[in-house]
Amino acid sequence: NAGVMQNPRHLVRRRGQEARLRCSPMKGHSHVYWYRQLPEEGLKFMVYLQKENIIDESGMPKERFSAEFPKEGPSILRIQQVVRGDSAAYFCASSPQSGRGQPQHFGDGTRLSIL
Amino acid sequence: DQQVKQNSPSLSVQEGRISILNCDYTNSMFDYFLWYKKYPAEGPTFLISISSIKDKNEDGRFTVFLNKSAKHLSLHIVPSQPGDSAVYFCAATGGGSEKLVFGKGTKLTVNP
Repeated sequence: NAGVMQNPRHLVRRRGQEARLRCSPMKGHSHVYWYRQLPEEGLKFMVYLQKENIIDESGMPKERFSAEFPKEGPSILRIQQVVRGDSAAYFCASSPQSGRGQPQHFGDGTRLSIL
Repeated sequence: DQQVKQNSPSLSVQEGRISILNCDYTNSMFDYFLWYKKYPAEGPTFLISISSIKDKNEDGRFTVFLNKSAKHLSLHIVPSQPGDSAVYFCAATGGGSEKLVFGKGTKLTVNP
C-alpha cells in the first residue's frame, strides 16, 4: 500500500461535528476514488474525482457528504454533522489514468469513529 | 442488490495445498475483474486482474479464471503459504464506469 497516503489513520468525532479525511494519491496518479467499508462488508464506492472535477458521485449520500480534489494538495472527503452510522473505514484509491488495465491502488484507510 | 458475490465467508487450507476462492457476478456489463488481498488495519492490495476477453491470467502462484457464460471467476493460489492468510476481495467494473464493485470478501487461513 506504499504510495497512497491517507490521514489521519484514526479519527474520533462526536455526533454533529465535521470530519475531514485526506488522501494524497500515488505520484503520477491523477485519478482518485473514495470507498467506504462497514463492518463485515465489502468496500462500497462513493466518488471518483480527477483534478478539480467530480467525475462520478453516484455512491455519495445526498446530504452531508462532499469531496474535492483541488489543483494543488490532497483530495478531501468531508462529512458534516456526523452521525453514528458514519462510523466506518474510509479508503482512498488512485490510478494513473482511466480505462481497462489500470488497477486502483489503495491507501491504508481512515477509521472514523463517532461517539 | 449485490452484483458481486463471494459466497464463502471463510476458507481454511493446509500449507502447500491449493486455495480456490470463488466469485459470482450478475451484471453482464462488467468487463474487467480484479482480486485484492487485505490484511487487518491495512488497505486492499491489488493481486491480479483479468479482462473479459481472456479466460485465464497467471502471475506466479496466482491464477485467475473467468467463465463469462456462468458469470463466475475464481482465484487459485498454489502452493498456499501461511503469509497468504488474509481477506480476499473480488471486484468488478465495466459499462463505462470506473467504479469498482466489491464482494464481501473471503477470509483465507493457511495452516502451517
